[in-house]
Amino acid sequence: DAKTTQPTSMDCAEGRAANLPCNHSTISGNEYVYWYRQIHSQGPQYIIHGLKNNETNEMASLIITEDRKSSTLILPHATLRDTAVYYCIVRGPYRDDKIIFGKGTRLHILP
Amino acid sequence: NAGVTQTPKFRILKIGQSMTLQCTQDMNHNYMYWYRQDPGMGLKLIYYSVGAGITDKGEVPNGYNVSRSTTEDFPLRLELAAPSQTSVYFCASSYSATNYGYTFGSGTRLTVV
Repeated sequence: DAKTTQPTSMDCAEGRAANLPCNHSTISGNEYVYWYRQIHSQGPQYIIHGLKNNETNEMASLIITEDRKSSTLILPHATLRDTAVYYCIVRGPYRDDKIIFGKGTRLHILP
Repeated sequence: NAGVTQTPKFRILKIGQSMTLQCTQDMNHNYMYWYRQDPGMGLKLIYYSVGAGITDKGEVPNGYNVSRSTTEDFPLRLELAAPSQTSVYFCASSYSATNYGYTFGSGTRLTVV
């Protein structure tokens, strides 16, 4: 089973920041937080990941709380093309640790 | 680079038929994965491989087989297709087991009738 809890759906106005929360209260010290998204029926797309520190790349920012029990994915200026299902995933560092997908958050960007 | 390429994109099978879903990557990734996604659901891991010659079961391996004879290719074999195998199948690859994202293919949509 997925180790994360996410809201089923969220709305965000175009041009505003989209903040997607994720709860992972049972995360272990060596487990990473990954975010992927899936646009319509396409293959999932990797967005960002982190262990302890906040991370930023060209797509998004990842904010992880100090106790690591929750995180937030931030899309700074949402566009209609960001409409997708967003998956928050916790994964260990070992070779046989896999990415297990939950149901994710369906993000609707409103024009 | 083409990334992860899956063929075919669509296929209709009759119950009891067999087929192989092809997956190839040109990024020299050691790690490869097969997932299935049923309508409205998240992805379920079928099989994975950490390198040529090594494969292992995921969450839902029954009814499927895989092989990994080369780094580039990771075919998924369906024997005796059943309606429950109607799904979209995604192949993915990764450079390392950790601290690295997966690259996914565009999927194979399979219908068993």
